[in-house]
Amino acid sequence: QLQLQESGPGLVKPSGTLSLTCTVSGDSVSSSSSYWAWVRQPPGKGLEWIGSVSYSGSTYYKPSLKSRVTISVGTSENQFSLRLASVTATDTAVYYCAVYYGEALHVWGQGTLVTVSS
Amino acid sequence: QSALTQPRSVSGSPGQSVTISCTGTSSDVGGYNYVSWYQQHPGKAPKVMIVDVSKRPSGVPDRFSGSKSGNTASLTISGLQAEDEADYYCCSYAGSYNLVFGGGTKLTVL
Repeated sequence: QLQLQESGPGLVKPSGTLSLTCTVSGDSVSSSSSYWAWVRQPPGKGLEWIGSVSYSGSTYYKPSLKSRVTISVGTSENQFSLRLASVTATDTAVYYCAVYYGEALHVWGQGTLVTVSS
Repeated sequence: QSALTQPRSVSGSPGQSVTISCTGTSSDVGGYNYVSWYQQHPGKAPKVMIVDVSKRPSGVPDRFSGSKSGNTASLTISGLQAEDEADYYCCSYAGSYNLVFGGGTKLTVL
């Protein structure tokens, strides 16, 4: 059964870089035909797609975040990661990783709250 | 790439039906048959309920159905149950492997 789990610092300083890892069990991010995505949700607000990475490493980002976002397949077969640079308080959110195929997000991690604050 | 438009809230009594709309443009909802719907209970991760406009993934009750007309997609929940009370989000493919979400709708079961 496919499961995803986010991990990383829960507190990031303004202007710093947010770095998160998603660990996948039950599948391999590098051999699967699936894509892997990051979605975030500010407290009390809606969902926002951040971007996706394919099993081969091709990346696709939300245009308004493209200049600050890097999503990559990890060195481990079972991980992919998110880096968001130059963060501000508006980047405070619960960050979810998910598996993306058939143009839908089928399985989600439980989410991890990242707060941007000094 | 603007967010899709959903009503902020809808409500219904147990056993009734409710419909949640999701309006986009010809560049997203109207341009592709790739609308998905997600249910999110407080403090929980979203769960996919509908994919490809009207298909139910395994395990989703047939009380949930989806449709689309032009630039507007809809999620209908029939035979409302207390456990259906949650936030619902639509999502559409917007080309070039991009996705766009709706703002979310809070469903209250009276």
